[in-house]
Amino acid sequence: GAGVSQSPRYKVAKRGQDVALRCDPISGHVSLFWYQQALGQGPEFLTYFQNEAQLDKSGLPSDRFFAERPEGSVSTLKIQRTQQEDSAVYLCASSLGTGLWKGETQYFGPGTRLLVL
Amino acid sequence: DQQVKQNSPSLSVQEGRISILNCDYTNSMFDYFLWYKKYPAEGPTFLISISSIKDKNEDGRFTVFLNKSAKHLSLHIVPSQPGDSAVYFCAASLNYGGSQGNLIFGKGTKLSVKP
Repeated sequence: GAGVSQSPRYKVAKRGQDVALRCDPISGHVSLFWYQQALGQGPEFLTYFQNEAQLDKSGLPSDRFFAERPEGSVSTLKIQRTQQEDSAVYLCASSLGTGLWKGETQYFGPGTRLLVL
Repeated sequence: DQQVKQNSPSLSVQEGRISILNCDYTNSMFDYFLWYKKYPAEGPTFLISISSIKDKNEDGRFTVFLNKSAKHLSLHIVPSQPGDSAVYFCAASLNYGGSQGNLIFGKGTKLSVKP
């Protein structure tokens, strides 16, 4: 596809349930970012992959959050034992090269809206 | 502690007039600043960026100004059009301390352009 896609678009989970959120970046993009956007806030960085390597996971809020990108393309963000405070929009972004600091644009997907009841 | 601040949650402008969206930051190590536009139920879309070594960047109707001494940047849209109505996010990135270029966003400003 032409852009970044994410699935599912909406997810309702019961507290304590595990969820998995998928991101398909733009084909050939090396860098992949996950962000969390709470209601009324801007997106906040969670983690970064360069190909299959997870180089930065400093933004993951707890050890219940886990992300992977095993073949350097599709990425999955997994949240175990979901809590109500995990309710947010989870955004995935990709960029062509190895980081924005070289002036590259990040292209965002539409996000997955997670609601934990 | 917010490093990127957009103090105006909303802005309403008449079609054809100038829209000015403001952003302040606290970290002098930021080296790139970007503006993203977001429509409901869509992801943010890149609009325009500026390197910290410049003070102005222009792209069509959109101009970003950077005042490093004041740690302030602004986005000017001239002339404003109804299709510009969206939430605008200011974002910054830095390249030091192992940062890979992840973006630090403000809370956004909702722009409404009235016909």
